[in-house]
Amino acid sequence: QVQLQESGPGLVKPSETLSLTCTVSGGSISSYYWHWIRQPPGKRLEWIGYIFNTGRTIFNPSLKSRVTISADTSNNQFSLTLNSVTAADTAVYYCARSESPAAASGHWGQGTLVIVSS
Amino acid sequence: EILLTQSPGTLSLSPGERATLSCRASQTIRITYIAWYQQKPGQAPRLVISGASGRAAGIPDRFSASGSGTDFTLTITRLEPEDFAVYYCQQFVSPPQTFGQGTKVEIK
Repeated sequence: QVQLQESGPGLVKPSETLSLTCTVSGGSISSYYWHWIRQPPGKRLEWIGYIFNTGRTIFNPSLKSRVTISADTSNNQFSLTLNSVTAADTAVYYCARSESPAAASGHWGQGTLVIVSS
Repeated sequence: EILLTQSPGTLSLSPGERATLSCRASQTIRITYIAWYQQKPGQAPRLVISGASGRAAGIPDRFSASGSGTDFTLTITRLEPEDFAVYYCQQFVSPPQTFGQGTKVEIK
């Protein structure tokens, strides 16, 4: 049974960089599609992007200029970095897995709240 | 970007009643590319049903999805206490994937 777990700072200052890691157990990140999705307080879910083949990435155009997703196969992890954050980036961040780019995400991490504040 | 609009915002029903949740897309999508998630407070979304794969593991058969074109529906035939939650639709026909704003199914 695959499990995903997000980790990273819960508080980031405005204009700085948000960095999160998703640790995957019960399956290799060399297969499937690995997503980052966020949910601002009281708002709908927002898809950030995904990584596959441990290096190829696709991003939401609304965030593309500020986002990087990378993979660390030795630790079976993938990571999110979001530059130049503002209060609008405050959200619960989830990592998730889908079997293809056109498939639902059947496995999710529990989510981690990141607050952007000075 | 494909916009998904869900209705109603809140559905107040009693256990045992039927719930019908709507999701309207801003352009035509095949149901293959639509999924529904359930989210309870403080928890991650849980996949309920996907147009391509059907019900997710552990989801009872009182949940069903239908629709075509721009209009899609999630039906829960007889609400159980554990079904009261927020439900989101999602499309993944092409990036960016998008979600609806959610329908809250609450106990009347």
